Amino acid sequence: DIQMTQSPSSLSASVGDRVTITCRASQGIYNYLAWYQQKPGKVPKLLIYAASTLQSGVPSRFSGSGSGTDFTLTISSLQPDDVATYYCQKYNSAPFTFGPGTKVDIE
Amino acid sequence: QVQLVQSGAEVKKPGSSVKVSCKASGGASTTAVINWVRQAPGQGLEWMGRIIPIIPKTDYAQNFQGRVTLTSDKSTTTAYMELNNLRSEDTAVYYCATLSGDGATGGFDSWGQGTLVTVSS
Repeated sequence: DIQMTQSPSSLSASVGDRVTITCRASQGIYNYLAWYQQKPGKVPKLLIYAASTLQSGVPSRFSGSGSGTDFTLTISSLQPDDVATYYCQKYNSAPFTFGPGTKVDIE
Repeated sequence: QVQLVQSGAEVKKPGSSVKVSCKASGGASTTAVINWVRQAPGQGLEWMGRIIPIIPKTDYAQNFQGRVTLTSDKSTTTAYMELNNLRSEDTAVYYCATLSGDGATGGFDSWGQGTLVTVSS
């Protein structure tokens, strides 16, 4: 099975900072990659699919890029509401494995 | 958009089984592929498996093969996840999730509210 890794596992940044999270697949998955945001005690929310397509209603400060094995999620200007854990997920074929998550905090 | 509503919290003894339901409504609820994802306390998301009701077909994650059974009732558009031989490590929130077909073409854009399963003697 394809394994998903993320880095860093956590980060702390200031409001207004540009934040980048990396996700890597152990084998190529084309662009079948989704990103989720999960706030404490809440249900995960789909942010991006097809590696770079923003889900409807998601603020434009979020963006995704990459294909094959290496992907990034970028928050162009970190806001207090962005405090959450972010997960990537492959969906080219089952199993639809999630990455281990990246916890984002405000300094 | 497909909406998913799950059954309530459960407390189970080690070695027993639990069956969680997930009712789909709205949108393409009759054909929705239902995935199950679990999240242990303080841990990440773990995909357990999926059921494609119209075929029907199931896929299971290797970690759960032989211990989880996914079923569905097309007449009530309800999916079920049964986990057997429960152990304390199965204490988690269990989610059902689907791609509703309302815009997004990948990932899971609709989630149930989650069902807390506590395994304790």
